[in-house]
Amino acid sequence: GDSVTQMEGPVTLSEEACLTINCTYTATGYPSLFWYVQYPGEGLQLLLKATKADDKGSNKGFEATYRKETTSFHLEKGSVQVSDSAVYFCALGGNEKLTFGTGTRLTIIP
Amino acid sequence: DGGITQSPKYLFRKEGQNVTLSCEQNLNHDAMYWYRQDPGQGLRLIYYSQIVNDFQKGDIAEGYSVSREKKESFPLTVTSAQKNPTAFYLCASTRGRGNTIYFGEGSWLTVV
Repeated sequence: GDSVTQMEGPVTLSEEACLTINCTYTATGYPSLFWYVQYPGEGLQLLLKATKADDKGSNKGFEATYRKETTSFHLEKGSVQVSDSAVYFCALGGNEKLTFGTGTRLTIIP
Repeated sequence: DGGITQSPKYLFRKEGQNVTLSCEQNLNHDAMYWYRQDPGQGLRLIYYSQIVNDFQKGDIAEGYSVSREKKESFPLTVTSAQKNPTAFYLCASTRGRGNTIYFGEGSWLTVV
């Protein structure tokens, strides 16, 4: 079945550092891929998405490219801010169900 | 504004009681989902529904029940059979396969 493997955290970085959170997936067919962000005590918010191979999703300085050849959708940001501290989830939209990774907690230190 | 409304935000339950969490969406989405999130952990799928009057079990359906009598509503009942119900519950919806998934703000359930 479909599955998502996400880089385990927690991840702690200094402000303005570069960020990469790895995400790989296993799926049949051609799923859509998503990154969601969750702030403390809240639901999940869509950060970015890509619906086909080689698509690049971007939002708020974050980017991720749908790589079919490596089955990956790594999240990147060139310069993180304290306000980026949250939990990040990689997700796969398959035929019926939505499959999420286990989440990566990111903490940015001033 | 369109969105997903979950209620209540906080709920306390005595052992042996059933409780129902409400989820309403006005996005005209066909598919709706319930997830459970435990502290420091990822999301686990409880139930999902692709269409009115139809729903399927997710990965951890035991001790839970749902109904989908209306397109906009997908309530979740946590029954007394659920042995460890204390968790954060998230409702979600989407227009269909491959489309963006939208989440409610979540409901905290605590067993006292």
